[in-house]
Amino acid sequence: QSALTQPASVSGSPGQSITISCSGTNSDIGIYNFVSWYQQHPGRVPKLIIYEGTERPSGVSNRFSGSKSGITASLTISGLQTEDEADYYCCSYTSSGTYVFGTGTKVTVL
Amino acid sequence: QITLKESGPTLVQPTQTLTLTCTFSGFSLSTSGVIVGWIRQPPGKGLEWLALIFWNDNKRYSPSLKSRLSIIKDTSKNQVVLTMTNMDPEDTATYYCAHSGYDSDLRRFDPWGQGTLVTVSS
Repeated sequence: QSALTQPASVSGSPGQSITISCSGTNSDIGIYNFVSWYQQHPGRVPKLIIYEGTERPSGVSNRFSGSKSGITASLTISGLQTEDEADYYCCSYTSSGTYVFGTGTKVTVL
Repeated sequence: QITLKESGPTLVQPTQTLTLTCTFSGFSLSTSGVIVGWIRQPPGKGLEWLALIFWNDNKRYSPSLKSRLSIIKDTSKNQVVLTMTNMDPEDTATYYCAHSGYDSDLRRFDPWGQGTLVTVSS
């Protein structure tokens, strides 16, 4: 299974909204809503910010939202803040009962 | 509160077998629906999913590493052990274990252990 495809980098100014795409196949994102997103600051452990495609865990800011269309999932960060500068990874369950992560996106706040 | 912690060698020689232990608390791997997974991250690179073990002892492995991986659980000790054979310098990475589940709202990795850096070098 190949890694899900994410843009290497996305940037935005404080207060703006940005969207990170995550492209998969009809063996993962296309047939399941089991897409999760993780935020990782440098030197830190990945943190779950979205699960089941659109759900936010308790304590995660509502500035983070997830969506899906076809074989592409997306993470939108609205009202961009300096603390949002981090790496972001998508992850999907697959038809083989396994998981696959995305290639990762570095978010820069200008 | 669920916590997980990885332990094992920090340095492994090429061709050797790596054995990592994930010790957890706050849940039981004998409870229906509970899963523990392993994920790794080479320095400066992305996350790679490795393996899962289910409450019922089912197992899943990354297709690209399946021939080298083995995962077992010791429910009495609240531990999961991952072994990877024939280690190569390209296997140098931080290895994480994480809690997961079979129910639809639990098909995610949360929380994660702190990770353990394994370097493969002679």
